[in-house]
Amino acid sequence: GEDVEQSLFLSVREGDSSVINCTYTDSSSTYLYWYKQEPGAGLQLLTYIFSNMDMKQDQRLTVLLNKKDKHLSLRIADTQTGDSAIYFCAERAQAGTALIFGKGTTLSVSS
Amino acid sequence: GAVVSQHPSWVICKSGTSVKIECRSLDFQATTMFWYRQFPKQSLMLMATSNEGSKATYEQGVEKDKFLINHASLTLSTLTVTSAHPEDSSFYICSGRGDTDTQYFGPGTRLTVL
Repeated sequence: GEDVEQSLFLSVREGDSSVINCTYTDSSSTYLYWYKQEPGAGLQLLTYIFSNMDMKQDQRLTVLLNKKDKHLSLRIADTQTGDSAIYFCAERAQAGTALIFGKGTTLSVSS
Repeated sequence: GAVVSQHPSWVICKSGTSVKIECRSLDFQATTMFWYRQFPKQSLMLMATSNEGSKATYEQGVEKDKFLINHASLTLSTLTVTSAHPEDSSFYICSGRGDTDTQYFGPGTRLTVL
């Protein structure tokens, strides 16, 4: 079955880079997503990558995809205190189907 | 990006009562809407998938008679938690999928059953 795994916690200092990792099992995943959730709020789509891409960069965010190892990472450059949140990795196998989420990585940024 | 709203944002109800949560796509037509629930410090678990004008498809372990889903129009889906009990207390999040196949999530509804 489908499964998405993430490490649960990451703590960094302000200004450093953060790297959040995710592994998935479904090799037929077409899109992979990163969402941000702040306390008590809904999900904010940060970025996504199509399975035929290796890398996608969007301002401070860089997504790397290793399809062979089924490994996805999100790098946040120059991490700020406002980046403190839970980050969810999600995959979607087929068009129109629901997303499968990981348990989320809590990012804590200290000043 | 497209906007999905949920109403109410939070609700407290007594055990045994029913609660209706609305999910609206404000600036796009959502042919499919998904309902998720999230327990504290846990991931989102898909409850059901609904397509406009047809019956919802429920995930294994989700009681369809307890969680009634109606997707009567391309911009509105409702989730009714019937005869709510404290174990139904959770954060309920909907998402709408439009023509581009991207899912847009609502802000969530926090349900507390006393």
